[in-house]
Amino acid sequence: GAVVSQHPSWVICKSGTSVKIECRSLDFQATTMFWYRQFPKQSLMLMATSNEGSKATYEQGVEKDKFLINHASLTLSTLTVTSAHPEDSSFYICSARIPDYGGARETQYFGPGTRLLVL
Amino acid sequence: GQNIDQPTEMTATEGAIVQINCTYQTSGFNGLFWYQQHAGEAPTFLSYNVLDGLEEKGRFSSFLSRSKGYSYLLLKELQMKDSASYLCAAMDSNYQLIWGAGTKLIIKP
Repeated sequence: GAVVSQHPSWVICKSGTSVKIECRSLDFQATTMFWYRQFPKQSLMLMATSNEGSKATYEQGVEKDKFLINHASLTLSTLTVTSAHPEDSSFYICSARIPDYGGARETQYFGPGTRLLVL
Repeated sequence: GQNIDQPTEMTATEGAIVQINCTYQTSGFNGLFWYQQHAGEAPTFLSYNVLDGLEEKGRFSSFLSRSKGYSYLLLKELQMKDSASYLCAAMDSNYQLIWGAGTKLIIKP
């Protein structure tokens, strides 16, 4: 299947600092990428949809000024957590959508995730 | 509203068969996905159904009934490595995935 990478895999930072997470599609072009957050023992929560060359679409309750998303190319989307606080500590996962033009299928492939710990 | 329901936890024995059910209500429907997620890792794609019926892929099979808003994931010949959370997700008319909370599957020897 398709490969999506994320970097870094682990981040520990002090409260008030900003953290950038990269999501790359390695062997395909992704016009649409998604950013999820997952707290322990909970399901994935969609934060935003990132479209190449346009502004991201944020889900209700997600602060767009705090979680900055940039999708500058067809293979790279970045999520920047600005002025991170301990409550932002979570598992952040990106995914890229691959449309199947032969049918109605659009599968999402996930990156390995980035675990953020804010002290 | 949109909703996905699946059991929180299930336990099964190594070598046995287990069926994980999922019911969904979405605005429009563009398919039902199953993902496997091991603890501390990102989800990995298992299956996709958009037409009614059973799709078999090795030890794993997935079933869909659109009229009932129902799907199940069937795991045969269970192995210890199958211990994981299984996430059901339905794709709505906007091609957004609506996620269930996941079913934690515990395999006992």
